[in-house]
Amino acid sequence: NAGVTQTPKFQVLKTGQSMTLQCAQDMNHEYMSWYRQDPGMGLRLIHYSVGAGITDQGEVPNGYNVSRSTTEDFPLRLLSAAPSQTSVYFCASSYSGRPGANVLTFGAGSRLTVL
Amino acid sequence: GQQLNQSPQSMFIQEGEDVSMNCTSSSIFNTWLWYKQDPGEGPVLLIALYKAGELTSNGRLTAQFGITRKDSFLNISASIPSDVGIYFCAGQGAGGTSYGKLTFGQGTILTVHP
Repeated sequence: NAGVTQTPKFQVLKTGQSMTLQCAQDMNHEYMSWYRQDPGMGLRLIHYSVGAGITDQGEVPNGYNVSRSTTEDFPLRLLSAAPSQTSVYFCASSYSGRPGANVLTFGAGSRLTVL
Repeated sequence: GQQLNQSPQSMFIQEGEDVSMNCTSSSIFNTWLWYKQDPGEGPVLLIALYKAGELTSNGRLTAQFGITRKDSFLNISASIPSDVGIYFCAGQGAGGTSYGKLTFGQGTILTVHP
């Protein structure tokens, strides 16, 4: 099993450009989420989804959009990139039932630089 | 929102020493998790705790879910060079709206000198 796959691994954007970070999981997990990691701030939740067709905002949702058309995929869209969105982005997924609820499996990350 | 305070922020130790780090919260958590992140990789789960007072080991790692449900600690015994990395605590708050939404600590950067 591949687990959680994120693409691209690295991306450089200019201010104002748009792009989509892709995330796919092959574990049939109901729950998927996006975090950003910044130095000294841990991981902060951007958006999450508890199932196909259902999404909700996390702690830092501004400037990002998500959709969940299938169980496997959860793309993160930056509509108009800003330098403040320079960060490392992680996609994560988990089962919704016990045991294993809340035990997130993370992708390898996507490092984004906005100039 | 919920906040986790993780300490220490960084540690520099000699190989063979024991390590201890902890997290405290301003609110009650139902689940405590400890993750390790290697450079260029995503966090990987080390230990999951689901009950207040629970003490769980995974090899040289031991973690406990605080009895007040507002804290947790992680101990690493007899450290080795491959223990180097960033360790994160994470918690899931009480209440249905907290389902799946983990709050992460700021991380502890561990350096082990051979």
